[in-house]
Amino acid sequence: QVQLVESGGGLVKPGGSLRLSCAASGFSFSDYYMSWVRQAPGMGLEWVSYISNSGSYTNYADSVKGRFTISRDNAKNSLYLQMNSLRAEDTAVYYCARRIVGATPDFWGQGTLVTVSS
Amino acid sequence: QSALTQPPSASGSPGQSVTISCTGTSSDVGGYNYVSWYQHHPGKAPKLMIYEVSKRPSGVPDRFSGSKSGNTASLTVSGLQAEDEADYYCNSYAGSNSVFGGGTKLTVL
Repeated sequence: QVQLVESGGGLVKPGGSLRLSCAASGFSFSDYYMSWVRQAPGMGLEWVSYISNSGSYTNYADSVKGRFTISRDNAKNSLYLQMNSLRAEDTAVYYCARRIVGATPDFWGQGTLVTVSS
Repeated sequence: QSALTQPPSASGSPGQSVTISCTGTSSDVGGYNYVSWYQHHPGKAPKLMIYEVSKRPSGVPDRFSGSKSGNTASLTVSGLQAEDEADYYCNSYAGSNSVFGGGTKLTVL
């Protein structure tokens, strides 16, 4: 069955960097667009970024543009999110999700917590 | 884009039906038939319950149904059960990416 497992979260100081990973299994990873979605404490879900199946096309929410970089390694069935210049407002649980038609996330991981605090 | 508008809370007794609304604009909900709904229990992965407005993924009970009229989509949960208590989020295609609603906490009384 489809499995997505995020890792790499943790506590980081404002201005710091963190790289999240998402290991995918149970489906043909290279056939699907993938997304990162986050949920800040007490808040709703917020789309962060997505990447095309080949990795050639990416898109970002305005709130992270220029600071975050999404990438993938289809040979390793892995998705990544490089987060630089982190701010307190980036504190959230970050989910990776498979994307189907209509930009719909269908399967999600359980998330990894990123805390930005001094 | 702005988040879609959902009521913060909804409730019903076991066996009853409850409907959660999701209001957007002609640039998202009203413009495309790509509205999806997610059930989220804290600490777990969000689960897709409805996609393309009214389609149910395999394994989702038919107690869950979706519809859309104009710029507003709706999720109806019939025959409420205790395990339906969760947060529910809508999502809509908005041209190259998607936008989420703010979430509705469903309480089973």
